[in-house]
Amino acid sequence: QKEVEQDPGPLSVPEGAIVSLNCTYSNSAFQYFMWYRQYSRKGPELLMYTYSSGNKEDGRFTAQVDKSSKYISLFIRDSQPSDSATYLCAMSAYEGSQGNLIFGKGTKLSVKP
Amino acid sequence: DGGITQSPKYLFRKEGQNVTLSCEQNLNHDAMYWYRQDPGQGLRLIYYSQIVNDFQKGDIAEGYSVSREKKESFPLTVTSAQKNPTAFYLCASRKGGQETQYFGPGTRLLVL
Repeated sequence: QKEVEQDPGPLSVPEGAIVSLNCTYSNSAFQYFMWYRQYSRKGPELLMYTYSSGNKEDGRFTAQVDKSSKYISLFIRDSQPSDSATYLCAMSAYEGSQGNLIFGKGTKLSVKP
Repeated sequence: DGGITQSPKYLFRKEGQNVTLSCEQNLNHDAMYWYRQDPGQGLRLIYYSQIVNDFQKGDIAEGYSVSREKKESFPLTVTSAQKNPTAFYLCASRKGGQETQYFGPGTRLLVL
């Protein structure tokens, strides 16, 4: 079983739709969770960061962590064509310099006008 | 304007040639990382460095080498021993005590 599983998509939605992106993981020690957005041929940019369980909201984006189910989600409300990108989840077990990030393979999202 | 720069944007390698990819950051971050990204493979860690003059192998270090002589710089050399170097290479950095990594724009390496 891979440490982090993420459906590669592609996921295609109409403009204005609510998008749900998900990752599952196997290591119960993970407690730091991130979502990155990567446009084609660009470097990933940090979108959301969450520590432990719960929700975090930033504008149209909501990150959700359910540690009991080992499941994290990113919701995008009122999706826009500019949201079309690959979304990578990432997670870490340790604080600061102790550990490295484990990445999902990314979900490719396309928002159609 | 703080950030991470990678150069060149595109790099062509001939058979048997070593090539070096540049990564510079002015964020005063302690840790730096090199990843390789192939279609459908996600990000794979090549090398990382937590402090100057120290670095560790990641999951796919064979055929690559690095140095960390300055805090701001972490160059990656793709040696002739790397038989399948065509990929998108990403450099990242992280501030000590934090978990989030910040990425550069990437270098695309192609083999002639």
